[in-house]
Amino acid sequence: QVQLNQWGAGLLKPSETLSLTCTVSGAYSGVRYWSWIRQPPGKGLEWIGDISQSGLANYNVSLKTRVTFSIYTSTSQFSLTLTSVTAADTAVYYCATFDKGAFYFDSWGQGTPVTVSS
Amino acid sequence: QSALTQPPSASGSPGQSVTISCSGISRDLDGYNYVSWYQHHPGKAPKLIVFEVYRRPSGVPDRFSGSRSGNTASLTVSGLQAEDEGVYYCSSYGSLSRFEVVFGGGTKLTVL
Repeated sequence: QVQLNQWGAGLLKPSETLSLTCTVSGAYSGVRYWSWIRQPPGKGLEWIGDISQSGLANYNVSLKTRVTFSIYTSTSQFSLTLTSVTAADTAVYYCATFDKGAFYFDSWGQGTPVTVSS
Repeated sequence: QSALTQPPSASGSPGQSVTISCSGISRDLDGYNYVSWYQHHPGKAPKLIVFEVYRRPSGVPDRFSGSRSGNTASLTVSGLQAEDEGVYYCSSYGSLSRFEVVFGGGTKLTVL
């Protein structure tokens, strides 16, 4: 069973940079991409993007200019960096494993609430 | 605005069946086969309950079943139980790119 544990700063000011990290543990079969998804208050899920274990990333076009993923295979960690945050980036952020072949997220982190406020 | 369209709410009494629709599924080379559904309880991580339209992960009760007709997928919850109450999201790939993931807006399922 794969487990994901995520952490990062939960309170930011506008224009600051959001940084979150997720650690993957446990065994899984097949190829998995590492993904980030967020849920703004009162809204639905929004895909932020994903990154392969070789470092190939795909980003939501609406966030592409501000988001960067990194992967650290030696420590089974991957991270999200989102620059120039605004109140619109306030959300619960989830990391997840993604089966790229069958297009589903099978394991999720516990979620990190992030608030952007001056 | 979500790329996939779901009704905002659905409800049913214990023991009844409820079906949630998800329209706007894009067609891949294999057809409209890459649809997944997630159950989300407040304060918890979403949980995968259906993938590839109708397949269930190990441990998900067979009360949850998925189907599709053309570009519309559906999730049916049979024998409703109180713990089924929550928000359900469908997901597939975007219309412009096989590399983009899109979600529906979510359907709040209430067990009366």
